[in-house]
Amino acid sequence: DQQVKQNSPSLSVQEGRISILNCDYTNSMFDYFLWYKKYPAEGPTFLISISSIKDKNEDGRFTVFLNKSAKHLSLHIVPSQPGDSAVYFCAASRGGSNYKLTFGKGTLLTVNP
Amino acid sequence: DVKVTQSSRYLVKRTGEKVFLECVQDMDHENMFWYRQDPGLGLRLIYFSYDVKMKEKGDIPEGYSVSREKKERFSLILESASTNQTSMYLCASRGATGAFFGQGTRLTVV
Repeated sequence: DQQVKQNSPSLSVQEGRISILNCDYTNSMFDYFLWYKKYPAEGPTFLISISSIKDKNEDGRFTVFLNKSAKHLSLHIVPSQPGDSAVYFCAASRGGSNYKLTFGKGTLLTVNP
Repeated sequence: DVKVTQSSRYLVKRTGEKVFLECVQDMDHENMFWYRQDPGLGLRLIYFSYDVKMKEKGDIPEGYSVSREKKERFSLILESASTNQTSMYLCASRGATGAFFGQGTRLTVV
C-alpha cells in the first residue's frame, strides 16, 4: 500500500516558467512533509519542508503548499532553471524526528533552455 | 554544515560475500536510516535506528541486518550478497533540524 504517491513520473517545462510537482498521501497521521532533489549517482538534497500547522512555506524560488483536507501537497519552482533538472521526491512523516520518512516514487523534472 | 558520510561511492562484490556499508553523521542525531533506491520504485526503507543499539525493520529488511554501536555510526550488512541487492544505498540522519542524506553507495553484486 503506497502511502505517498507522486502520480507524474516526469514533467517537462521551459526555462523561466513555473514547475509544479504534486504529491498525495493517504495516512492521516502524517503531519510533516519534505521535498528532496536528487541528481543521478548522488544522495538526495533537502529542499524545503512544511508541517501541518501551516499551509504554505517559501524558500527563495521554492514554495510548498499543503492542503490537509485533500491530503495533497505541491512544490512550486519559480522561475525554473536548467540546473533544476533532477528527480524530486516527496516524503511524509509523523511529527517528531523519531519517525521514519515515507517517500513517493519521484518525479523527473526536465527544464529546457 | 551538516554531514552524513558513506564509506564508499561505488562497490562491486561477488554473490555470497558479506558486505558492510558504513555511514557516519556529525550532527548528534538520534535517528538514522538506510534506504535503497531502484528505478521506478523510489526510496524504500530497509532499517532504521532511533538510538544506540536500537533498531527497527523497515519495509524491505529481508537479506539485511544493521549495527549501531555508537550514536554517530550506522552500518548496513548484507549477510550473503545476491544480485537482486544491486542498488543505490542511501543513509540518512534525522534530528530536529531536518533529515539529511549521505552521497549514496552504488553497489553492484556480480
